[in-house]
Amino acid sequence: DAGVIQSPRHEVTEMGQEVTLRCKPISGHDYLFWYRQTMMRGLELLIYFNNNVPIDDSGMPEDRFSAKMPNASFSTLKIQPSEPRDSAVYFCASSNTGVRGTGELFFGEGSRLTVL
Amino acid sequence: GQNIDQPTEMTATEGAIVQINCTYQTSGFNGLFWYQQHAGEAPTFLSYNVLDGLEEKGRFSSFLSRSKGYSYLLLKELQMKDSASYLCAVRDTTGGSYIPTFGRGTSLIVHP
Repeated sequence: DAGVIQSPRHEVTEMGQEVTLRCKPISGHDYLFWYRQTMMRGLELLIYFNNNVPIDDSGMPEDRFSAKMPNASFSTLKIQPSEPRDSAVYFCASSNTGVRGTGELFFGEGSRLTVL
Repeated sequence: GQNIDQPTEMTATEGAIVQINCTYQTSGFNGLFWYQQHAGEAPTFLSYNVLDGLEEKGRFSSFLSRSKGYSYLLLKELQMKDSASYLCAVRDTTGGSYIPTFGRGTSLIVHP
């Protein structure tokens, strides 16, 4: 399996621009998570989906952030408009909550976002 | 929710043993995870504990005491490549959620 695939790996943009991050989870996994990691706040959960349905978006910082999962193999996290304080590494992760599994998360390589 | 506490940084010598502690407070405990994260890379799964006791996996072991809200990760025969951040994550099913919350991580520096 190719693992969780994220794109882009690096993005540098200017304040006010729209940013779209993409994620392909591991096939067969029923949960998908978006996390943000910074030195100050560590790894924070932004939103998660179960079977393509958003379950909890209470971690999304504000209305500038939105996430979609149109099908089981694709999700996007969008920031519009972006601000310098959004600079962070954004991780997508997926998991399988099957009866025999521990439900551990499999992370993508992350998208490092820099907003100037 | 959970309060997860782990030391910010630890240093150790190559070949030695190091223990990284994690304490937590939760009302609906349903498992504790340890992840390893090398600088600039994604976190990777190391271990999972849901019952009290020690789980051993090669050079790494993880211990859990649910009554004390305490876990540790034990790394033996340290190697330079073990220099990384170690994240403790607790899964709490309060409210029907099945999602782990991560601690801030412990940065381990292994020196020769």
